Amino acid sequence: AQTVTQSQPEMSVQEAETVTLSCTYDTSESDYYLFWYKQPPSRQMILVIRQEAYKQQNATENRFSVNFQKAAKSFSLKISDSQLGDAAMYFCAYRTDNNAGNMLTFGGGTRLMVKP
Amino acid sequence: GAGVSQSPRYKVAKRGRDVALRCDSISGHVTLYWYRQTLGQGSEVLTYSQSDAQRDKSGRPSGRFSAERPERSVSTLKIQRTEQGDSAVYLCASSLPWTPNTEAFFGQGTRLTVV
Repeated sequence: AQTVTQSQPEMSVQEAETVTLSCTYDTSESDYYLFWYKQPPSRQMILVIRQEAYKQQNATENRFSVNFQKAAKSFSLKISDSQLGDAAMYFCAYRTDNNAGNMLTFGGGTRLMVKP
Repeated sequence: GAGVSQSPRYKVAKRGRDVALRCDSISGHVTLYWYRQTLGQGSEVLTYSQSDAQRDKSGRPSGRFSAERPERSVSTLKIQRTEQGDSAVYLCASSLPWTPNTEAFFGQGTRLTVV
């Protein structure tokens, strides 16, 4: 079974600064997908970024980028130029690469606070 | 609607009572998931269905949890004989038929409090 671990229950960053959220996972599979989701107080999960395990290049979406270390099974999220609207819960998630639908395994989440 | 909608947003239930939570998924989406989200423990899949088939995630909670899908875009999660440990946010997610690029879309969840 796959597990996803987020070791930082809470993180804080100054507005306009950079913050990195950590995520590690455990799997015996070689092909899979990794995601970071943002969950604001409205509770709706929003996909921030995704990474295919077979791609060595780290995914980037505007101010969001990942550091994917497949051998170490690490998948951290870097938020650059943090904005007040980035404050939310962030969940790291894993999805297997087979025709099993879209079942996600989530980490416990990291609450990000952004200080003005 | 444009997205996944869940109702009610908040539900308070007395211990031992049955509850039903509704999810309206995106039209055309085939696969539908119910997740239970508890503080610090992330989200775990309770059950999911692909089209009309219902698949329970093995080993997860018990026969007290079930889901019905009376229409392709509607699912109802039923919890029988609620326990205080059932207090959590219940998230519904739907997606198109699986491809490597398929994305799951989430509703805003129902926060259930069992008293």
